[in-house]
Amino acid sequence: GENVEQHPSTLSVQEGDSAVIKCTYSDSASNYFPWYKQELGKGPQLIIDIRSNVGEKKDQRIAVTLNKTAKHFSLHITETQPEDSAVYFCAASSPIMDTGRRALTFGSGTRLQVQP
Amino acid sequence: GAVVSQHPSRVICKSGTSVKIECRSLDFQATTMFWYRQFPKQSLMLMATSNEGSKATYEQGVEKDKFLINHASLTLSTLTVTSAHPEDSSFYICSAGREGPDTQYFGPGTRLTVL
Repeated sequence: GENVEQHPSTLSVQEGDSAVIKCTYSDSASNYFPWYKQELGKGPQLIIDIRSNVGEKKDQRIAVTLNKTAKHFSLHITETQPEDSAVYFCAASSPIMDTGRRALTFGSGTRLQVQP
Repeated sequence: GAVVSQHPSRVICKSGTSVKIECRSLDFQATTMFWYRQFPKQSLMLMATSNEGSKATYEQGVEKDKFLINHASLTLSTLTVTSAHPEDSSFYICSAGREGPDTQYFGPGTRLTVL
């Protein structure tokens, strides 16, 4: 099955700096890669996603890049603000063998802290 | 758009009782809903996939008789934790797929504490 690794586990940056979180995946059949932001005690919120037919996608201060050959994708947050502090999860959608279903496999999460 | 609600947000129950958690897609129809479990400071683990009008598909290691899932309509799925034990205490989160099974929108989660 799919295996998603995420680094770093914790990241502390100064307000205004950029933050980069990286993920690798193992299943070449994965074709959809969402990123979620989870604040304490809340459910994950979809912040950006990318499909395998594009290499980069940007939404204001957030961007995601995908390298299918190397099987890795990254989240970039520019001009970070204290309210960006949260846990971020990457995920990959891949088929589940012999079932015809697809499922998201999540990374282990990155705790981002933006220091004011 | 793409709002998913869960009820209750937190519940405390005695060991041996059953607890039902509701997941609703408020502004879209979801043919597929998912149930996850999350332990403190850990990632989300998929428990089961729920399809409207059919039986849920459980992930390996998840007891289907303990975690009963019903997807009665395109906007409602329920998870019932039967005969709850302290080790079932966790954060349970549902999600709903809108544009197919890939894009999932998550509910706010339910904190279950079994005494």
